[in-house]
Amino acid sequence: DIQMTQSPSSLSASVGDRVTITCQASQDISNSLNWYQQKPGKAPKLLIYDALNLQTGVPSRFSGSGSGTDFTLTINSLQPEDIATYYCLQYDNLPPIFTFGPGTKVDIK
Amino acid sequence: QLHLQESGPGLVKPSETLSLTCIVSGGSISSRGYYWGWIRQAPGKGLEWIGSMYYSGNTYYTPSLKSRVTISADTSKNQLSLKVRSVTAADTAVYYCARHRRSNFDCWGQGTLVTVSS
Repeated sequence: DIQMTQSPSSLSASVGDRVTITCQASQDISNSLNWYQQKPGKAPKLLIYDALNLQTGVPSRFSGSGSGTDFTLTINSLQPEDIATYYCLQYDNLPPIFTFGPGTKVDIK
Repeated sequence: QLHLQESGPGLVKPSETLSLTCIVSGGSISSRGYYWGWIRQAPGKGLEWIGSMYYSGNTYYTPSLKSRVTISADTSKNQLSLKVRSVTAADTAVYYCARHRRSNFDCWGQGTLVTVSS
């Protein structure tokens, strides 16, 4: 089984800061990684798919990078509405199997 | 606009079967190329994919739950169902249904909390 880790588990940053969250897979997963944002009491929302593609409607301050085992979600210029927990999601397509990372909670300082 | 709504008992006794329904409106669960899945989140914990059904009826489950879980669909009612057998307190969670194409879970229900307790 592929294991996913995220770091940090939580962070506190100021409005306008650049925030970086990393996700690491236990083995090479190519670009089979998405990023989701979950606000308190809400369902998750897709931000980035296939490691670096911005989902339609997602602000351009969000970006993704990486391939293989190491991936990064960057929020350029953190906004108050970005308070949320961010999860990476690793996937296999054949057959479909999905594994979420443990999450990174982002707060405003 | 696609809308998903989970429903079912909020309280289930240990060793019994948890049964949930996801009512889909604004779209068909028979839409070609889409999967319909279940994801859960224990209180204060992360997300766990439970399983998904392809529009063709094929089902896929996470290995750790495969022996206890069944996902099915009633196309006449445009509904998706989840059954989890022999539940324990560890199955207490908010359960979400969601539509996805490949790995893009692009539409989610609001989630429903199920507590396992006697």
